[in-house]
Amino acid sequence: EAGVVQSPRYKIIEKKQPVAFWCNPISGHNTLYWYLQNLGQGPELLIRYENEEAVDDSQLPKDRFSAERLKGVDSTLKIQPAELGDSAVYLCASSSDRGHTGELFFGEGSRLTVL
Amino acid sequence: GENVEQHPSTLSVQEGDSAVIKCTYSDSASNYFPWYKQELGKRPQLIIDIRSNVGEKKDQRIAVTLNKTAKHFSLHITETQPEDSAVYFCAARNPRRGGADGLTFGKGTHLIIQP
Repeated sequence: EAGVVQSPRYKIIEKKQPVAFWCNPISGHNTLYWYLQNLGQGPELLIRYENEEAVDDSQLPKDRFSAERLKGVDSTLKIQPAELGDSAVYLCASSSDRGHTGELFFGEGSRLTVL
Repeated sequence: GENVEQHPSTLSVQEGDSAVIKCTYSDSASNYFPWYKQELGKRPQLIIDIRSNVGEKKDQRIAVTLNKTAKHFSLHITETQPEDSAVYFCAARNPRRGGADGLTFGKGTHLIIQP
């Protein structure tokens, strides 16, 4: 069974440019998460989807960040325009259960460098 | 919201010795406490978890203990081996609205196994 797939793995852009990250969760997983991981820190939740509905986006900086999961499967996270402080690893994760087992399966992450 | 604190930030132990990593959480409603291991440049992966109705759980060389009254939980690794070197993250989940919720992670502990 394929795990959570993310692309691109690495992205280098200049500040003020747009960038998008894509995530394909494990087949059948209805819950999808985007996390931000700064160097030396733990993952921080940006947004959580239950199927196509964003049920928790309180930590998403909505002035420049947006996300979508139109068909309840894969998802895209966009930053426009990117700032220097956005340099980080963007992790996607998915889970199949509505909180009772709890395991999140993470992708390899998309490492963003903003110059 | 939930706040998870993790100590120490770095832990160096001799191969064969035991390692203990401690976490505290703030919200007494949290009921699920996983531990993730992240090797350099890799995705976080679940190694063990515990629910609030259990005080201790063990899986071979790894064990987790939970003290609900004090709101802290710990990871214990015995007979450490070089492959245990990684960053370990504790996390807590606070169930809200009856559905799956994103985990709140600690800042991580860099475990170094000295040969």
